[in-house]
Amino acid sequence: DQQVKQNSPSLSVQEGRISILNCDYTNSMFDYFLWYKKYPAEGPTFLISISSIKDKNEDGRFTVFLNKSAKHLSLHIVPSQPGDSAVYFCAASAWDGKLTFGQGTILTVHP
Amino acid sequence: DSGVTQTPKHLITATGQRVTLRCSPRSGDLSVYWYQQSLDQGLQFLIQYYNGEERAKGNILERFSAQQFPDLHSELNLSSLELGDSALYFCASSVASSGGSGELFFGEGSRLTVL
Repeated sequence: DQQVKQNSPSLSVQEGRISILNCDYTNSMFDYFLWYKKYPAEGPTFLISISSIKDKNEDGRFTVFLNKSAKHLSLHIVPSQPGDSAVYFCAASAWDGKLTFGQGTILTVHP
Repeated sequence: DSGVTQTPKHLITATGQRVTLRCSPRSGDLSVYWYQQSLDQGLQFLIQYYNGEERAKGNILERFSAQQFPDLHSELNLSSLELGDSALYFCASSVASSGGSGELFFGEGSRLTVL
């Protein structure tokens, strides 16, 4: 029962262009959403989050959009940089605070 | 450096064996979480401890157990190991008992290979 899904295993983008990573969820009780970034041989690191009462949160080059009716969120990175190449995990939590992660999307930004 | 320390980084063992993975949370963090990442899988939540007590349980097998000690470090015990247990095991910590609105800080993981 995959409650958080990242349907694109990988994404390749040119440097300077926009990267859009997508995430869908099924549990309507989720009320907080987060994105984590993971480099090889490292643990995931927190990137950006959004509460369910908002539809957008921006932090520098990173913006997360939440569409509650569609149960969909996306992470926009603009402009993309080669250093952004990593695995990106979408995560969601409900009242119990337990984070449920998606499978991850491998982002490759080409110079 | 997240401040979360996991040992060992790599571990190779045989089926049927038992191993213990260790995690030291960030200074001041009371919650410890264990996650499993198998090949092509996302991070699967196993279990959470808060200040020494079990707080939440995920898809943790009965062959697996964990505990959090008074000094807040945690151990994940995996027994009767099977080939399918080969995975990256991550520990994460947070200040709060609930990880939802606060970020988790992850260690670098322990890679377990069962032969």
